[in-house]
Amino acid sequence: QKEVEQDPGPLSVPEGAIVSLNCTYSNSAFQYFMWYRQYSRKGPELLMYTYSSGNKEDGRFTAQVDKSSKYISLFIRDSQPSDSATYLCAMTLGGAGNMLTFGGGTRLMVKP
Amino acid sequence: SAVISQKPSRDICQRGTSLTIQCQVDSQVTMMFWYRQQPGQSLTLIATANQGSEATYESGFVIDKFPISRPNLTFSTLTVSNMSPEDSSIYLCSVRDGGNSPLHFGNGTRLTVT
Repeated sequence: QKEVEQDPGPLSVPEGAIVSLNCTYSNSAFQYFMWYRQYSRKGPELLMYTYSSGNKEDGRFTAQVDKSSKYISLFIRDSQPSDSATYLCAMTLGGAGNMLTFGGGTRLMVKP
Repeated sequence: SAVISQKPSRDICQRGTSLTIQCQVDSQVTMMFWYRQQPGQSLTLIATANQGSEATYESGFVIDKFPISRPNLTFSTLTVSNMSPEDSSIYLCSVRDGGNSPLHFGNGTRLTVT
């Protein structure tokens, strides 16, 4: 069993839809939780990161962490075709800048 | 955040040869890491590049295959040695700006070994 599980997709939604991306993890020692967006032929780009359980919002993006269930989510409101990318969840033991353990990534396609 | 430049952006190499990938950052950073992303897969950490000392390798990666240098706080190289087709991957440099900030990534080097 992988430490971090993520549905690979692809997930296809119409423009304007609310998107929910999820990851589960097995190691309760993970402390920081990140979401990266990766466009084709580009490196991962940090979207958001959180430390504690709860919600964190940034524009159209909301990151949610439930440590008791070992479950994290990224919600995208009013999805746009430009949101089409692979979304990677990642998490660290200790500090936010420590070694990242990644999920496998979910490929999202937003259709106009 | 720091701007990370990787060279080359892509290369096609013959098996048995070696390729050195460069990672240049526009500011001094505390930590530099090298990751590998195999086709259709997620990212796996190869090693932590330590300034002025030997790199710290993760399980499954060895110095003879992936020698790493980090002569200063803005630059690192990763060499993929004696390449085989199984080494075809994207190799990514990652840095931590400082403090408790999360990692940022370069655009990677797309390597194809024939």
